[in-house]
Amino acid sequence: KAGVTQTPRYLIKTRGQQVTLSCSPISGHRSVSWYQQTPGQGLQFLFEYFSETQRNKGNFPGRFSGRQFSNSRSEMNVSTLELGDSALYLCASSLGQGWPLTTEAFFGQGTRLTVV
Amino acid sequence: AQSVSQHNHHVILSEAASLELGCNYSYGGTVNLFWYVQYPGQHLQLLLKYFSGDPLVKGIKGFEAEFIKSKFSFNLRKPSVQWSDTAEYFCAVINQAGTALIFGKGTTLSVSS
Repeated sequence: KAGVTQTPRYLIKTRGQQVTLSCSPISGHRSVSWYQQTPGQGLQFLFEYFSETQRNKGNFPGRFSGRQFSNSRSEMNVSTLELGDSALYLCASSLGQGWPLTTEAFFGQGTRLTVV
Repeated sequence: AQSVSQHNHHVILSEAASLELGCNYSYGGTVNLFWYVQYPGQHLQLLLKYFSGDPLVKGIKGFEAEFIKSKFSFNLRKPSVQWSDTAEYFCAVINQAGTALIFGKGTTLSVSS
């Protein structure tokens, strides 16, 4: 079956702009989580959506937001980009019920965002 | 706050050498632990996980990990590494609320043939 698909794979934006990243989960999965990966901080949890509702949120500023659609696809938006937002943004999908305790999360290849 | 520490930032080994990557977590209660691997240019994949039971967990590709509660550790091991094991390895724990994965900063493993 198809894996988690993230688009675009690479993105270059200018400081102050905003950006939207997309994640299509594995068919049948209803939970989508987002992580930011940087060399200095590793992987940090941004937020998690289940059935169009944000269930959990990490410790990131309000410039980072997301949403999930009825088909479980999710988008992540970052407004007023800063240089420090340059990172690999990973999306993970899971069945959702009881995640992360009882269901495995499957990760996409990520979107590499570079802010200049 | 909960945290995960991976002691080694970069490990360099020759093929057939034995591997042990350290992982320590901060939370003292019930823990659920994972090791993920990220091969160059590929997505993050689950190597193994520990939820309960036998503290010695076997995963894919010959990897295993041992949960030692008294040491708050979950070290990853492989008796004989291959060049194809070159990757970044992440230890992770489910947070206390059970709502997210907390990852360590990762260990880059380079295996020379």
